[in-house]
Amino acid sequence: GAGVSQSPSNKVTEKGKDVELRCDPISGHTALYWYRQSLGQGLEFLIYFQGNSAPDKSGLPSDRFSAERTGGSVSTLTIQRTQQEDSAVYLCASSLGTGGDTQYFGPGTRLTVL
Amino acid sequence: AQRVTQPEKLLSVFKGAPVELKCNYSYSGSPELFWYVQYSRQRLQLLLRHISRESIKGFTADLNKGETSFHLKKPFAQEEDSAMYYCALWYFGNEKLTFGTGTRLTIIP
Repeated sequence: GAGVSQSPSNKVTEKGKDVELRCDPISGHTALYWYRQSLGQGLEFLIYFQGNSAPDKSGLPSDRFSAERTGGSVSTLTIQRTQQEDSAVYLCASSLGTGGDTQYFGPGTRLTVL
Repeated sequence: AQRVTQPEKLLSVFKGAPVELKCNYSYSGSPELFWYVQYSRQRLQLLLRHISRESIKGFTADLNKGETSFHLKKPFAQEEDSAMYYCALWYFGNEKLTFGTGTRLTIIP
């Protein structure tokens, strides 16, 4: 079946603008995760959803970052008033459930803030 | 807090030679360890996890709780093994994966 999809694949924006990044998880997967991959930083956890609720938002770097998930499916990560340090690849992953189920990753959205 | 360390950012190995990518972790409980791989222009994908005790594409990894390590090994490197490799840790009650910074493996023909 189809894997995790993300859109857009690339986004270039100006400092101070808001951006929305979208993730479509694998159908039937209840858990959804957002990570950020910065140059030389590895993968950094941002937020995790179980269904539509977010039990763990501990990785969101500032209150400019928010995320929601609707219908237990699609998720949107919103970054307000973007800064240059927000430039990174944003990865979404989904898993069938929790408890250490394998996480399947999307192709990522490359965000560049000028 | 839990941490995953991959001491080598870059590793070059000749084709046919053995490969070992190092991973050390810090966590006092019983974690589950994973290796993820990202080939050029492909998405990040699971290579193996310690609980399944599988050998995938000739790679194996043994969890050594005494040394808190989960090194990835392959006896004979192949050119198609060139990729970015990430070690990751999960533990019960904390659903996120904690990743190391990754090792870029290059196989020299």
